[in-house]
Amino acid sequence: DAGVIQSPRHEVTEMGQEVTLRCKPISGHDYLFWYRQTMMRGLELLIYFNNNVPIDDSGMPEDRFSAKMPNASFSTLKIQPSEPRDSAVYFCASRPLVATGELFFGEGSRLTVL
Amino acid sequence: AQSVTQLGSHVSVSEGALVLLRCNYSSSVPPYLFWYVQYPNQGLQLLLKYTTGATLVKGINGFEAEFKKSETSFHLTKPSAHMSDAAEYFCAVSENDMRFGAGTRLTVKP
Repeated sequence: DAGVIQSPRHEVTEMGQEVTLRCKPISGHDYLFWYRQTMMRGLELLIYFNNNVPIDDSGMPEDRFSAKMPNASFSTLKIQPSEPRDSAVYFCASRPLVATGELFFGEGSRLTVL
Repeated sequence: AQSVTQLGSHVSVSEGALVLLRCNYSSSVPPYLFWYVQYPNQGLQLLLKYTTGATLVKGINGFEAEFKKSETSFHLTKPSAHMSDAAEYFCAVSENDMRFGAGTRLTVKP
């Protein structure tokens, strides 16, 4: 299996622009997670899905952030409009059904908002 | 809700010395506990996990961790550090979602 695939790996944009980050989970995994990593806040859980349904989005920082999972093999995290404080590495991870299973992480999308 | 506290944001050891990274957890149910490693510009990789059964868990690269319920701890150890162990290490606890500690950066001196 190719693992969790994220794109783009790097994104540089200007404040106010829309940013879309993409994730393809491992085939057969029921859960998908979006995390944000910064020096100040560490790894923050933004949202997670079970069978394409958002379960908990309490970590989404503001209404500027939205996430979708239209099917089992694709998810997006969108920021509109972007701000410099959104600069971070965004990770997608997937997991099989059981809670004892580990998360499998993508390599991350590094976002820089100027 | 579950949470994890990692004691020490930065640990420095000499090559060949014992590595000890500390993790304490809080969970309302029997916890599932994990240690992950992150190398620069990469995602997180699983080192080891505890779900049930034996409280001493062995992982990859010679690491192991012991689940101590009475101390709510899950400390990570390695008897002899190698230069290649230099990385960021994260402890995590899982119920339905997974919550991570703040991370500990391990430096290995030659």
